[in-house]
Amino acid sequence: QKEVEQNSGPLSVPEGAIASLNCTYSDRGSQSFFWYRQYSGKSPELIMSIYSNGDKEDGRFTAQLNKASQYVSLLIRDSQPSDSATYLCAVKAAGNKLTFGGGTRVLVKP
Amino acid sequence: EPEVTQTPSHQVTQMGQEVILRCVPISNHLYFYWYRQILGQKVEFLVSFYNNEISEKSEIFDDQFSVERPDGSNFTLKIRSTKLEDSAMYFCASRGRVPYNEQFFGPGTRLTVL
Repeated sequence: QKEVEQNSGPLSVPEGAIASLNCTYSDRGSQSFFWYRQYSGKSPELIMSIYSNGDKEDGRFTAQLNKASQYVSLLIRDSQPSDSATYLCAVKAAGNKLTFGGGTRVLVKP
Repeated sequence: EPEVTQTPSHQVTQMGQEVILRCVPISNHLYFYWYRQILGQKVEFLVSFYNNEISEKSEIFDDQFSVERPDGSNFTLKIRSTKLEDSAMYFCASRGRVPYNEQFFGPGTRLTVL
């Protein structure tokens, strides 16, 4: 069974701080990695994709990938109350499907 | 910005009844997916569809489930005889051509089986 693991949280951060989210995956054949944001009762919304080792920045978000350690992370800089949501790590190996982690709930406190 | 749409937003049905969930993927996308999320649980893959056929399916996607692209825009998920445990949010997603692997999700249909 191919697994994607995340700390369920909640991760509580003060407004303006950096939120750091982690994800590990078991399938070494994984090729593509994604971070989705999911507000309660809503659908997953794509934030970032990353395909090669290193960092990828998009606005306040930075994704980091380390395939040797089977580890992907997401940093949210200057966290805002509107960033309060569950962040889902998703991994694509060979084939078409995404395998999701259980998500990390983030609470940004004003 | 193009988006995936789904109807209905909420479907209530009796156990044993058939339901059809509908999706309109992003117009130039070629790969289509159904996922589900039982309340409080992970998002789970059900099936992927490409070139008018199923390309991959999960163990969940048994004979009670079927998918169809009846025309150039709609993509449907049919559950033939619903069970209580089918109650979940069902998400449709679509993806463009390789190398773009990003899947974009619709708003979901909440299915409640009584």
